[in-house]
Amino acid sequence: QVHLVESGGGVVQPGRSLRLSCAASGFTLNKYGMHWVRQAPGKGLEWVAVIYYHGNREYYADSVKGRFTISRDISKNTLYLQLNSLRAEDTAVYYCARDGCSGSYCLDHWGQGTLVTVSS
Amino acid sequence: SYELTQPPSVSVSPGQTARITCSGDALPRKYAYWYQQKSGQAPALVIYEDSKRPSGIPERFSGSRAGTMATLTISGAQVEDEADYYCHSTDSSGNHVVFGGGTKLTVL
Repeated sequence: QVHLVESGGGVVQPGRSLRLSCAASGFTLNKYGMHWVRQAPGKGLEWVAVIYYHGNREYYADSVKGRFTISRDISKNTLYLQLNSLRAEDTAVYYCARDGCSGSYCLDHWGQGTLVTVSS
Repeated sequence: SYELTQPPSVSVSPGQTARITCSGDALPRKYAYWYQQKSGQAPALVIYEDSKRPSGIPERFSGSRAGTMATLTISGAQVEDEADYYCHSTDSSGNHVVFGGGTKLTVL
């Protein structure tokens, strides 16, 4: 059974950094691409980043490019999101999601999310 | 940047058919996907590749795509279908995910 558990969220000051983790079980990260998606309080979904199943390609939303980095540790079957130079507008629940369809992107399993609050 | 447009809200009575639309210039060339997000929960995939249902999704959920518009149809909507629904596709490069703004479905 596929299971995704995010952790690492919390309250952080503007300009500081944070690393989010997403522990995966029921499948292996080297077989599936993975995404991060965020949702600001009371707002809609915003895609953040993707890492391909082979780990050699990543893409980012313009709003986070150059500040956030997606990565993974196959030995721990864990996905990460490094958040640097945080801003108030980065406050959101961050979800990890598996890309489970062949062909185009398709987020077929989601974690429950971890809340990041950027505030002084 | 590329955008997908959804109506902010749709309201139906129980048993009626709910239709939620999603429009975008790249949709003639890209699949559409639909997610359901109930209050306080993570999103869940309900339709992929325009019209396919993941296992466990009721048959009353269906999807279609024609031209620049994709449509999620819930035939015989039930109270438990009340949720926010988001469409998703990719931009013309195929490398970036784009979500629609979401549609709040009310069934009462």
